[in-house]
Amino acid sequence: RKEVEQDPGPFNVPEGATVAFNCTYSNSASQSFFWYRQDCRKEPKLLMSVYSSGNEDGRFTAQLNRASQYISLLIRDSKLSDSATYLCVVNSNTGGGNKLTFGTGTQLKVEL
Amino acid sequence: NAGVTQTPKFRVLKTGQSMTLLCAQDMNHEYMYWYRQDPGMGLRLIHYSVGEGTTAKGEVPDGYNVSRLKKQNFLLGLESAAPSQTSVYFCASSYYGPIYNEQFFGPGTRLTVL
Repeated sequence: RKEVEQDPGPFNVPEGATVAFNCTYSNSASQSFFWYRQDCRKEPKLLMSVYSSGNEDGRFTAQLNRASQYISLLIRDSKLSDSATYLCVVNSNTGGGNKLTFGTGTQLKVEL
Repeated sequence: NAGVTQTPKFRVLKTGQSMTLLCAQDMNHEYMYWYRQDPGMGLRLIHYSVGEGTTAKGEVPDGYNVSRLKKQNFLLGLESAAPSQTSVYFCASSYYGPIYNEQFFGPGTRLTVL
């Protein structure tokens, strides 16, 4: 089992739709969680951190479920500019130090 | 404030050639990282540094060496390039360690080894 797993997609949604991505992680001792956005042939950029209580930033909502070991990202009122790949990132302390593990990403395409 | 910059942006090497990728950051960050990104795989950590003069191995260090002689620069070297090292290489930096801190990425270097 991969340490961090994501559905690669693509998710094709019309503009204005609500879309949700899930990401599962295997290490129950994982400490911190992030969603990064990566545009085609560009570098990843932090979209938002994921806090235990869940957090919202405008149209974006992130949730953490430690019991089931997954995090989610909800995008409301999708815009064309939201088209990108969304990377799930999990930080774990392996005993040898902190380890940041990146998922392979979920591709979102927002269409007119 | 340029953030994180990488040189070169593209490079084609022949098997056995050597090269050095340069990463520079102007944010006074302590931590710097080198990753590679391959199709169907997440970013994988090659080497990282927790401060000037320090380096440590990441997940996939074989075939690469690094140096951090100055706080703002992190160099990645390929001594004898192999086709398996064809990839997109990203450098990143963060002020503190990666636990709760955002990593800032450079624009990437696309390397092809023939």
